[in-house]
Amino acid sequence: DTGVSQDPRHKITKRGQNVTFRCDPISEHNRLYWYRQTLGQGPEFLTYFQNEAQLEKSRLLSDRFSAERPKGSFSTLEIQRTEQGDSAMYLCASSPGGARGAFFGQGTRLTVV
Amino acid sequence: GESVGLHLPTLSVQEGDNSIINCAYSNSASDYFIWYKQESGKGPQFIIDIRSNMDKRQGQRVTVLLNKTVKHLSLQIAATQPGDSAVYFCAEQRNQAGTALIFGKGTTLSVSS
Repeated sequence: DTGVSQDPRHKITKRGQNVTFRCDPISEHNRLYWYRQTLGQGPEFLTYFQNEAQLEKSRLLSDRFSAERPKGSFSTLEIQRTEQGDSAMYLCASSPGGARGAFFGQGTRLTVV
Repeated sequence: GESVGLHLPTLSVQEGDNSIINCAYSNSASDYFIWYKQESGKGPQFIIDIRSNMDKRQGQRVTVLLNKTVKHLSLQIAATQPGDSAVYFCAEQRNQAGTALIFGKGTTLSVSS
């Protein structure tokens, strides 16, 4: 399967701990997106990369959140000092240049206890 | 604020019926509208999209209609099957460069046989 891959699929962490998620986009997709989704809601945009450049960040992305895509391939999303309100599904998506829409991974479900 | 939303949170149909899922949007500057299907525990799956200069587009068993006058989007599924049971989201994309998709809240389609 050469779709978008996310790791881990599930993460349970204690409040105050840091967590890091990884996303491997579809090969040669130069655009990569991070979204957050809570139960019953649509995905909320967090941030977007074109190659290694982070071009857009939502106001939802507080200073506890940081995302990187150092070589323009995989990306990581780190949450520092996690809070219970961070519990959600974190989705990664990618698209080739000029394309509309995006292809999503299966997500990482974060539970903060 | 600008948003994309859906009219009904749930829709129940019988197998074989046609389903119509509706969406209202507020940003007339959006260039593309996209329908996604999301099954439980999975990421959103692209179904079909439509460009803002079109009013209808057909795919396999699905048709998307766009009414820019009233800012309304609909997804029609012909001969609905139990495998169509999922949450459906419409999303808008604000320019062709592939920046953030903005999602609505979703409609849960339940198909009974």
